[in-house]
Amino acid sequence: DIQMTQSPSAMPASVGDRVTITCRASQDISNSLAWFQQKPGKVPKRLISTASTLQSGVPSRFSGSGSGTEFTLTINGLQPEDFATYYCLQHKGFPYTFGLGTKLEIK
Amino acid sequence: QVQLQESGPGLVKPSETLSLTCSVSGGSISNADSYWSWIRQSPGKGLEWLAYIYYTGSTYSNPSLGSRATMSVDASKNQFSLKMTAVTAADTAVYYCAWETVTGALDSWGQGILVTVSS
Repeated sequence: DIQMTQSPSAMPASVGDRVTITCRASQDISNSLAWFQQKPGKVPKRLISTASTLQSGVPSRFSGSGSGTEFTLTINGLQPEDFATYYCLQHKGFPYTFGLGTKLEIK
Repeated sequence: QVQLQESGPGLVKPSETLSLTCSVSGGSISNADSYWSWIRQSPGKGLEWLAYIYYTGSTYSNPSLGSRATMSVDASKNQFSLKMTAVTAADTAVYYCAWETVTGALDSWGQGILVTVSS
């Protein structure tokens, strides 16, 4: 299985901050990586696909980058509604695997 | 946009079989560009991808499930299903079904169904 190491597991932040979340794959997954946002009690929502493609309707403050084994999700100018848990997902090979998640917390 | 809705019992006894169905609307389960998955999330935990099925019946299950998981498609009802045998408390989770295209990854999800394994 391809292991996804996501860091940090939790991040205190303030409104207006720039935050970066990282996922590292245990092998080359090209750009087969997606980022999801999940709020408590809600369905995960895909923010970014193919490492850097922003989904329709997702604010431009979200961006993704990387390829191969190193990927980042950046939020520029954190908004109150962005406090949530974020997961990366590799879909290069089966089984798909998620990172363990990063919980953005209000500082 | 494809929409999905999970259904099934919310309570299953240990050692019994969990059976879930995902009903698809807004698209055909027989679309050659579509793939159908199951994902679960244990209470307070992260996400675990379980299995996928293609309309031809081709499937792949996460090895973490061993041989307990079986998937099937019912094209006449535009549904696909997951059966998991010999459940334990560790299988208690919210189960989601999801759709993706050949270029995407879990593009759209159902609302999820909480399944509790308890006697």
